[in-house]
Amino acid sequence: KAGVTQTPRYLIKTRGQQVTLSCSPISGHRSVSWYQQTPGQGLQFLFEYFSETQRNKGNFPGRFSGRQFSNSRSEMNVSTLELGDSALYLCASSLARENSPLHFGNGTRLTVT
Amino acid sequence: EDQVTQSPEALRLQEGESSSLNCSYTVSGLRGLFWYRQDPGKGPEFLFTLYSAGEEKEKERLKATLTKKESFLHITAPKPEDSATYLCAAFHGGGATNKLIFGTGTLLAVQP
Repeated sequence: KAGVTQTPRYLIKTRGQQVTLSCSPISGHRSVSWYQQTPGQGLQFLFEYFSETQRNKGNFPGRFSGRQFSNSRSEMNVSTLELGDSALYLCASSLARENSPLHFGNGTRLTVT
Repeated sequence: EDQVTQSPEALRLQEGESSSLNCSYTVSGLRGLFWYRQDPGKGPEFLFTLYSAGEEKEKERLKATLTKKESFLHITAPKPEDSATYLCAAFHGGGATNKLIFGTGTLLAVQP
């Protein structure tokens, strides 16, 4: 069974630009979550989508948004990029049952210059 | 405030030298405690879920245990390939939401 696929693996953007990251979940998984990982803060929850609806949201500014499509694939968008947005962005999928483990992709490394 | 704290931040072991990693949590209504392994340049890989105090789970050289305040990841006779960052994460609250609170991890280096 194919794992969680994230594209692209690496991105370099300039301050003020916007970026879209993509995530394809494991087949049959309907929940997709996004996390930001930085050396200082560790993994921070961004948001979770289930059946095309945002089910939960972390404490990030409105510049961070996402969506989920009918095939469970998800995209995350960051507008007006800031230097502090440089991080590894991880997508995870799960069966969406309580305590179902999250299965992570290998992330998109975003560098903002 | 809900919080997960891992210690030590880094641990260096000789091959075969057993040790334990600690994950303490202050999370209201804990519903599950997860352990993950993360290799450089990769996403976290799921290892265990623990649901209630007293529960233990094992996989190869790893054993995870859970009390009401903390979880331990015991590594018995580690090998160099066990070198990685080990993350724990707490799930709380109700419903099927998948918001996890992660600790900042323990970086384990096992020297041959």
